[in-house]
Amino acid sequence: EIVMTQSPATLSVSPGERATLSCRASQSVSSNLVWYQQKPGQAPRLLIYGASTRATGIPARFSGSGSGTEFTLTISSLQSEDFAVYYCQQYNNWPRTFGQGTKVEIK
Amino acid sequence: EAQLVESGGGLVQPGGSLRLSCVVSGLAFPSHWMSWVRQAPGKGLEWVANIKQDGSEKNYVDSVKGRFTISRDNAKNSLSLQMDSLRAEDTAVYYCARGGWYSEFWGQGTLVTVSS
Repeated sequence: EIVMTQSPATLSVSPGERATLSCRASQSVSSNLVWYQQKPGQAPRLLIYGASTRATGIPARFSGSGSGTEFTLTISSLQSEDFAVYYCQQYNNWPRTFGQGTKVEIK
Repeated sequence: EAQLVESGGGLVQPGGSLRLSCVVSGLAFPSHWMSWVRQAPGKGLEWVANIKQDGSEKNYVDSVKGRFTISRDNAKNSLSLQMDSLRAEDTAVYYCARGGWYSEFWGQGTLVTVSS
């Protein structure tokens, strides 16, 4: 099983600032990685697939990069609605596995 | 409009069984892999199982193999998860999701609580 490790666990950011979230895979997943956003009481929302392609309707302030084992999600200028938990997930192998999440909170 | 609506969750005793259902509309159900993903209270996400369009291929995470069975009825746009020999660690919100690799479309989830 591929283990996905996200860092940091919590990120405190002021509105308007840039947020950089990291995700590391225990072995290469090529570019088969997605990022989700989840708010309390809601299902996950797909942000990025293929490591760097924004999903339908996702604002341009969200960007993804990386391949192999190291990946990054960047939120260029945090808006109030962006404070949430973010998960990476690999789909290169079965079982599909998620990171433990990064909580982005208001500083 | 895309909709996935789960049902069937509830409180069950350890060792008991429960069957979850998900009815899908607006998403060309027969054309897509489907999956179940769960989330224990206050915890992260876990991909539980997926099933191919025609039901000929199914995959399960090790922790549920031999206890859970995923199935689908394309005529009814319906996905199911039969859960047997339930354990306390199966307590979670169970989401139905379109896709076998990742998902853009999710249901609202149904809570399964395994407790005596």
